[in-house]
Amino acid sequence: EAGVAQSPRYKIIEKRQSVAFWCNPISGHATLYWYQQILGQGPKLLIQFQNNGVVDDSQLPKDRFSAERLKGVDSTLKIQPAKLEDSAVYLCASSLGKANEQFFGPGTRLTVL
Amino acid sequence: DQQVKQNSPSLSVQEGRISILNCDYTNSMFDYFLWYKKYPAEGPTFLISISSIKDKNEDGRFTVFLNKSAKHLSLHIVPSQPGDSAVYFCAARENFGNEKLTFGTGTRLTIIP
Repeated sequence: EAGVAQSPRYKIIEKRQSVAFWCNPISGHATLYWYQQILGQGPKLLIQFQNNGVVDDSQLPKDRFSAERLKGVDSTLKIQPAKLEDSAVYLCASSLGKANEQFFGPGTRLTVL
Repeated sequence: DQQVKQNSPSLSVQEGRISILNCDYTNSMFDYFLWYKKYPAEGPTFLISISSIKDKNEDGRFTVFLNKSAKHLSLHIVPSQPGDSAVYFCAARENFGNEKLTFGTGTRLTIIP
């Protein structure tokens, strides 16, 4: 069974530029998560989707971050404009349901200069 | 407000000995606890979990202990093997709502051959 796929794996941009990350969850997984992991910290939930609806985006900085999950499968996370403090690894995870085990992708390491 | 704390950023253990990783939490609404293991450049992978109705869960070389009164859990690895060298995250889940995970800051475990 294929795992959670993410691209790109690495991205370097300058502050005030825009960036987008892509996630393809495990087939059949209804719940999709985006996490931000800053160096030295644990993953922090940014947004949670159930199919193509948002369940929780309370920790998403909505003035610059946006996410969508069209057709309840793939998802994209966008940052516009990026700030230095957005440098982190962005992890995508999926699960069959909200109470089921979460499977994580390899992450995208973003460096904002 | 760090609701899940791992106070030891790093731990070194001799191969064959016991590794003990600790985690404390403050939110009494947490009712399910998980340990994730993370290798460099990979996403976290689920290791073992425990429900708040139990005080111990064992899976092969891994045992998790939960002390609800102290709001403390620990992961024991016996015997420790070189492949266990990784960052270990403790995570906790609330028993209502979207059941999102709150992660600790992680402990880097190094097994010395």
